[in-house]
Amino acid sequence: EVQLVESGGDLVQPGGSLRLSCAASGFSFSTYAMSWVRQAPGKGLEWVSAITGSGGSIYYADSVKGRFTISRDNSKNTLYLEMSSLRVEDTAIYYCVKDLAGAGAGDYWGQGTLVTVSS
Amino acid sequence: QAVVTQEPSLTVSPGGTVTLTCGASTGAVTSGHHTYWFQQKPGQAPRTLIYDTSNKNYWTPARFSGSLLGGKAALTLSGAQPEDEAEYYCLLSYNGVRLVFGGGTKLTVL
Repeated sequence: EVQLVESGGDLVQPGGSLRLSCAASGFSFSTYAMSWVRQAPGKGLEWVSAITGSGGSIYYADSVKGRFTISRDNSKNTLYLEMSSLRVEDTAIYYCVKDLAGAGAGDYWGQGTLVTVSS
Repeated sequence: QAVVTQEPSLTVSPGGTVTLTCGASTGAVTSGHHTYWFQQKPGQAPRTLIYDTSNKNYWTPARFSGSLLGGKAALTLSGAQPEDEAEYYCLLSYNGVRLVFGGGTKLTVL
């Protein structure tokens, strides 16, 4: 059974940093691209970042470029999102998604982890 | 920055048919955009219904289908059920490296 479990969400002050993790199981993790998608309270979905299976190619939305860093540890089947210079508008539920890129199936989502940026 | 447009809300009668569309500010939506469609119910994570324009996951009910229609991507629901009431989002892929969501369509089954 495929499982994606996010963690690391917290309340952080503007300008602060946070690292999210997504533990994957039930599939060959290194074979698939992974993405982060966020959803602000009461708002729509926003793609944040993606990384290929090998980690060799990385992509970001303009809204987070230069502040967020996506990475993965295929030996630990874990996806990460390092967030710095956090802004109030980064407040959202952050989801990790399997294979959401190009013609991939984008088939599995985690349950999400809440990041709240507030003073 | 591309803008992806969806109907804000639609209503369908139980058993009826409705088509949700997904347009792009950059021009016609093509197979190259590898359109995704997601369903999200309140308090739940999104669920992927359609990928690469028209492909279904094994859990996607047969009453849902994806296509390209008049320069837009389309999600057609034939034989709506009460449990289909939800928010629906499309997602377009630009050159495989930038993904842009539509604003979502709130579908009411009434």
